[in-house]
Amino acid sequence: EVQLVESGGGLVQPGSSLRLSCAASGFTFANAWMGWVRQAPGKGLEWVGRITSISYGDITNYAAPVKGRFTISRDDSKNTLYLQLNSLKAEDTAVYYCSTDWDGSTESQGAYWGQGVLVTVSS
Amino acid sequence: DIQMTQSPSTLSASVGDRVTISCRASQSISSWLAWYQQKPGKAPELVIYKASSLKSGVSSRFSGSGSGTEFTLTISSLQPEDFATYYCQHYNADSRTFGQGTKVEIK
Repeated sequence: EVQLVESGGGLVQPGSSLRLSCAASGFTFANAWMGWVRQAPGKGLEWVGRITSISYGDITNYAAPVKGRFTISRDDSKNTLYLQLNSLKAEDTAVYYCSTDWDGSTESQGAYWGQGVLVTVSS
Repeated sequence: DIQMTQSPSTLSASVGDRVTISCRASQSISSWLAWYQQKPGKAPELVIYKASSLKSGVSSRFSGSGSGTEFTLTISSLQPEDFATYYCQHYNADSRTFGQGTKVEIK
């Protein structure tokens, strides 16, 4: 069974940093493209960014609102995906979801999601 | 960046109704489109990928169509568990953008 479990959320002050983790199991993590999506309270889904697998170069891409402040990385030895959030702003307050991204074998997208973790940016 | 526009924003329907949700891309995305269902307080769940492929385990009352810039999600006979918010998402090239969502409400 595929499982994605996020952790690391919480209440932080504007300008501070936070690192989210996503522990993966039930599939070959090293072969998976992975991504982060966020959802502000009462709002729609917003793509944050994604990272390809190492065989595709561990390439990262980001949405414009987070580019230069957020960094996605992965540790395939630990089956864990990370999202480093720097220079946090009030508008970054959201539930952050980790998900699988493009699957080359099926050409599907977003087949599996974690339960989400809340990040609140407030003074 | 590619923009995704869904319509309508809210849809009121009854159990048994046929429901159609539209999604338009600002430029051609071929068939690189996914549809998700999200219920309150839950993570999104994939329903359709590559515009018209049904995720394994998802009811066959869901279907997707379209290519290029115009896409449609159809629920053939709405069931109580289908009342939710639906999002389209393109996954063309190096970005992924969601539509603003369509809330399917009980009429």
